[in-house]
Amino acid sequence: QQQVKQSPQSLIVQKGGISIINCAYENTAFDYFPWYQQFPGKGPALLIAIRPDVSEKKEGRFTISFNKSAKQFSLHIMDSQPGDSATYFCAASRDYGQNFVFGPGTRLSVLP
Amino acid sequence: DTGVSQDPRHKITKRGQNVTFRCDPISEHNRLYWYRQTLGQGPEFLTYFQNEAQLEKSRLLSDRFSAERPKGSFSTLEIQRTEQGDSAMYLCASSFGQGNQPQHFGDGTRLSIL
Repeated sequence: QQQVKQSPQSLIVQKGGISIINCAYENTAFDYFPWYQQFPGKGPALLIAIRPDVSEKKEGRFTISFNKSAKQFSLHIMDSQPGDSATYFCAASRDYGQNFVFGPGTRLSVLP
Repeated sequence: DTGVSQDPRHKITKRGQNVTFRCDPISEHNRLYWYRQTLGQGPEFLTYFQNEAQLEKSRLLSDRFSAERPKGSFSTLEIQRTEQGDSAMYLCASSFGQGNQPQHFGDGTRLSIL
């Protein structure tokens, strides 16, 4: 019940296209859902996060869509750029348990 | 504003040796977390401190692992009698305040066991 599932495992997108990564969870106690971006040799960096009281949050080219009833959330990267090529992790946490549960990651490659 | 700092960045050691890693969180961050990340996987939670108190430990944290945060500032993670399976990236993160808050990660210590 602690698991967060993530798909696809890898994704190739042309420059200017839309990248979509999906995550699903089981534990209804989760109430915070961040997305992290990780480049090789670096730690994960927070991209954007959402709480279940909203269905969508947008920051620049990055948008999270959240479906509480389906227990699913997704990351959309608009106008994808080669510099977006990285591994993306979704995560989830509960307010009284401060650790994040991470998905297995999606390796995104944006072709020039 | 300096980010989360981890030292060393790389550690190579022989099986059976003890290793210690250090994490300096963002100043004024009261929470500090340790995670382990293996190749192709997401980070896995190990343990969490609020100030100097260790509040939560994962079942992944065997009795060979110990973490401290003696003055509520920097933290150390020690692995005793290292095993091949301990080879991984060890990540530290910190956050501020109560409730769910963004965690800011360091660039990790990569441990390789020969």
